[in-house]
Amino acid sequence: AQSVTQPDIHITVSEGASLELRCNYSYGATPYLFWYVQSPGQGLQLLLKYFSGDTLVQGIKGFEAEFKRSQSSFNLRKPSVHWSDAAEYFCAVAPRDTGRRALTFGSGTRLQVQP
Amino acid sequence: DTEVTQTPKHLVMGMTNKKSLKCEQHMGHRAMYWYKQKAKKPPELMFVYSYEKLSINESVPSRFSPECPNSSLLNLHLHALQPEDSALYLCASSQESLHSGQYFGPGTRLTVT
Repeated sequence: AQSVTQPDIHITVSEGASLELRCNYSYGATPYLFWYVQSPGQGLQLLLKYFSGDTLVQGIKGFEAEFKRSQSSFNLRKPSVHWSDAAEYFCAVAPRDTGRRALTFGSGTRLQVQP
Repeated sequence: DTEVTQTPKHLVMGMTNKKSLKCEQHMGHRAMYWYKQKAKKPPELMFVYSYEKLSINESVPSRFSPECPNSSLLNLHLHALQPEDSALYLCASSQESLHSGQYFGPGTRLTVT
């Protein structure tokens, strides 16, 4: 069965420091890959997505993610974190075929930013 | 326009009430979704509509009744809910293929008293 693992439940970084959030997936074939961000009480915003091509993808708000097929990973990075980046981050995957049109989410990583 | 709108933003209802949540998108997406999200948890899929037909029901209790009147609108009818149904209800839409991801609305915060 497909699954998504975000091993870090909670991460604290200082403002201006770099950030990496980890995501690993277990899937029959390489799925579509996504990162979403959610501020408290809000909906989810799509940060970036990977479906083919360059394995380093750029997203909004200065985020990027790298797909590594050999490691079944899709880690999210940001070179310099801003206080406004404090939020919950979800990695998600979706099948490439049309069998089950739904996202599978990881459990999320809560990011706290220290001044 | 990449916006999904949801109304109301907040809803408080008693266990005997009937209410409805509404969702609208104008991106031409043909798939729409309802999710339930509890605090500090990822969204849980409830229903998926594809071309206005129900394609996935994740064994959701019948007190939740979805409806897709047309390709832009999605409703969730609520009846005889339980306090444990209190949660953030999120609507999302996508193209038929999920390669572009799903776009989420801001959610409806539901409290059942």
